[in-house]
Amino acid sequence: AQSVAQPEDQVNVAEGNPLTVKCTYSVSGNPYLFWYVQYPNRGLQFLLKYITGDNLVKGSYGFEAEFNKSQTSFHLKKPSALVSDSALYFCAVRGNNRLAFGKGNQVVVIP
Amino acid sequence: DTGVSQDPRHKITKRGQNVTFRCDPISEHNRLYWYRQTLGQGPEFLTYFQNEAQLEKSRLLSDRFSAERPKGSFSTLEIQRTEQGDSAMYLCATSAAEAFFGQGTRLTVV
Repeated sequence: AQSVAQPEDQVNVAEGNPLTVKCTYSVSGNPYLFWYVQYPNRGLQFLLKYITGDNLVKGSYGFEAEFNKSQTSFHLKKPSALVSDSALYFCAVRGNNRLAFGKGNQVVVIP
Repeated sequence: DTGVSQDPRHKITKRGQNVTFRCDPISEHNRLYWYRQTLGQGPEFLTYFQNEAQLEKSRLLSDRFSAERPKGSFSTLEIQRTEQGDSAMYLCATSAAEAFFGQGTRLTVV
């Protein structure tokens, strides 16, 4: 069965500094990978996806993610974090007709 | 706004009562999913529909849970005889290349 691991519970970063949120995955076949963001008491908002093609994927709000097949990783990155980026971030992998999510990373951007 | 709407946004119910949630998906999306999210966890798959056919149900979905999607349009998720362990956020999503989620229904069973 497909699965995702997000090893850090919380990521703290100063405003203006680079932000990285880590994700590793396990799936049979070609990986379809996603990042979502969730604000308090809200649903999930799609940020970006990797289906095929370039290993560096660009998404919404200045986020990007790097797919690394040999390390089975799909880390989310942003060059310069904003206070408004403070939220819960989920990595997901598609398999067996559904998404499997990690437990999420709380990102706190410190002004 | 993803185009997926859920109603109600919040529901507080007494243990043992029945509750029903509704999801209105993006009209051109054939697949509709229900997920459940508890505090501190990522969403967990419950069930999905291809048009009006319910194709798979998770083991998380006990006999007290039932979902329908009449005519392949909106969907409902009903929980009978609610228990405190049912307290969670229930998320609906429809899918193209990526899944679009509704705002969720937060259920609190007291």
